[in-house]
Amino acid sequence: DIQMTQSPSTLSASIGDRVTITCRASQSIRTWLAWYQQKPGIAPKLLIYGASSLETGVPSRFSGSGFGTEFTLTISSLQPDDFATYFCQQYHTSSWTFGQGSKVEIK
Amino acid sequence: QLHLEESGPGLVKPSETLSLTCTVSGGSINTDNYYWVWIRQPPGKGLEWIGSMFSTGSTYYKPSLESRVSISDDTAKNHFSLRLSSVTAADTAVYYCARQRSRAARGGIDYWGQGTLVTVSS
Repeated sequence: DIQMTQSPSTLSASIGDRVTITCRASQSIRTWLAWYQQKPGIAPKLLIYGASSLETGVPSRFSGSGFGTEFTLTISSLQPDDFATYFCQQYHTSSWTFGQGSKVEIK
Repeated sequence: QLHLEESGPGLVKPSETLSLTCTVSGGSINTDNYYWVWIRQPPGKGLEWIGSMFSTGSTYYKPSLESRVSISDDTAKNHFSLRLSSVTAADTAVYYCARQRSRAARGGIDYWGQGTLVTVSS
């Protein structure tokens, strides 16, 4: 299995802050990476696919970048609705894996 | 608008088989370029991919679960199912069914069920 490691596990931030979450793959996954947002008790929501493509309807303050083994999710100006847990997922192989999650908390 | 809904027992005894069904409405599961997926999330923990079925009928499973898991579909009823045998308390989780786009269709899991909690306990 390809291992996906996210950092930080928890992040405290304020409204308006620029927030960056990192996801590292144990081997190259090219750009076969997605990012999801999950709020308590609700299914995850797709934000980014193909490492950097914004899913339809997702606010433009969200962006993704990276290639190979290192990827980032950036929220340019944190909004109240963005306090949630974020997961990366690789789909390079037929055995998909998720990162362990990064929780964005109110500072 | 596609809608997925999980159904099945919320309580399963240890060593027995967990069986869930995902009923899809608003679209057909017999459509090219999509995977039909099962994912689980133990309480307070992260997401774990269990397995997928491609539109061709090919199946793919998490290696550590492969000996216990099977995914099948019923295109006439437009649903797909999960069976996980010999369950233990470690299999207690919210189970999600979902649709993943193939890489040719951009990738990413774009539709999810609401999730169903399955508890393994005697």
